[in-house]
Amino acid sequence: GQNIDQPTEMTATEGAIVQINCTYQTSGFNGLFWYQQHAGEAPTFLSYNVLDGLEEKGRFSSFLSRSKGYSYLLLKELQMKDSASYLCAVRDRIGGNTPLVFGKGTRLSVIA
Amino acid sequence: DSGVTQTPKHLITATGQRVTLRCSPRSGDLSVYWYQQSLDQGLQFLIQYYNGEERAKGNILERFSAQQFPDLHSELNLSSLELGDSALYFCASSTGVDRQYFGPGTRLTVT
Repeated sequence: GQNIDQPTEMTATEGAIVQINCTYQTSGFNGLFWYQQHAGEAPTFLSYNVLDGLEEKGRFSSFLSRSKGYSYLLLKELQMKDSASYLCAVRDRIGGNTPLVFGKGTRLSVIA
Repeated sequence: DSGVTQTPKHLITATGQRVTLRCSPRSGDLSVYWYQQSLDQGLQFLIQYYNGEERAKGNILERFSAQQFPDLHSELNLSSLELGDSALYFCASSTGVDRQYFGPGTRLTVT
């Protein structure tokens, strides 16, 4: 079956760095996505990894190790507005236009 | 603004009833996905349409059905509603291997 694990909740201080881990066991792998979701709102895209290594985009970076079935999202210089849920999702089928398998999300609280 | 629109934003209905949720994808996107998000669950994939044809099926109940029309908008029909169907329903669209863009969602409350 499909299994994507993330911590349920995390708390971090404004201005700090936080790492949100994601491990996956899926029948196939064709890319890993991170989305941000504020309560009651739509998920918005943060990053995409299909090859091993680190992808950096401003204050956000995402890392992937396909051999370990592992990814993390790194958020630097945390701001209060970063308080949200962070969703890890895997595309488990080859080809484009395929659905994503989502983890349950990690609720991040940024405190002063 | 993702470019994906969903109506209605909120829906309150009684058990046993039937509702229809509507989604218009981003301009040019041929794929539409429906996801359900309950309080204690992550986003659960329900069904996908690509250019009018059903492409993939997830954990969709038999009471639920969907279709995609020639203008590429999609509708999700939920019937014989139960209390447990209360959730946020998101539609997303994509092109190729690109990210999925999510609509604002429809919050369904079954009383």
